[in-house]
Amino acid sequence: NAGVTQTPKFQVLKTGQSMTLQCAQDMNHEYMSWYRQDPGMGLRLIHYSVGAGITDQGEVPNGYNVSRSTTEDFPLRLLSAAPSQTSVYFCASSYSRFPRDSPLHFGNGTRLTVT
Amino acid sequence: GQQVMQIPQYQHVQEGEDFTTYCNSSTTLSNIQWYKQRPGGHPVFLIQLVKSGEVKKQKRLTFQFGEAKKNSSLHITATQTTDVGTYFCAGYGSSNTGKLIFGQGTTLQVKP
Repeated sequence: NAGVTQTPKFQVLKTGQSMTLQCAQDMNHEYMSWYRQDPGMGLRLIHYSVGAGITDQGEVPNGYNVSRSTTEDFPLRLLSAAPSQTSVYFCASSYSRFPRDSPLHFGNGTRLTVT
Repeated sequence: GQQVMQIPQYQHVQEGEDFTTYCNSSTTLSNIQWYKQRPGGHPVFLIQLVKSGEVKKQKRLTFQFGEAKKNSSLHITATQTTDVGTYFCAGYGSSNTGKLIFGQGTTLQVKP
């Protein structure tokens, strides 16, 4: 079991560029989510999914898109990168449909810098 | 919307001293989870509290859930250098929204 795999580990973008952060899990988890971590702000929820074909917005969804076409994959798309999106991004998954019932398993993170 | 506040933001202690971090929610929680993130690492699940007034222990760590299910605390007895890291609480509201909201975290530094 690889757990939750995020790629790439590091990325530098210019303002206005688009890119996709990849997240895959091999634990057959129903719930998947994206968080961003900024100093002093903790972990803020961007988008989440309670199953294939279902996504919903978190606390800070603007500027990001997601899709969940399979149980395993949950990519995060930055449509037009801005310096305010410089952050560390974590993908996390949970066995049950709602993280109330089982803990989150985090990937190793992607450190994104937008210049 | 639901907010989870955590204090203090930073704590420096001498090895052997105790440490406590507090978590407060603006709304009643159905459960609360605690995570630890080592420097340069990712958050790792520690424990979940579900019942009002619940107290759970893991070796030197004691976790409490308030009677009103709106606050929680993590207490570490006799800190060690291995306790260094950031501790996060995360609350799940009473509605089935799928949103697990994290506090800002408390970063613990331990001087040997």
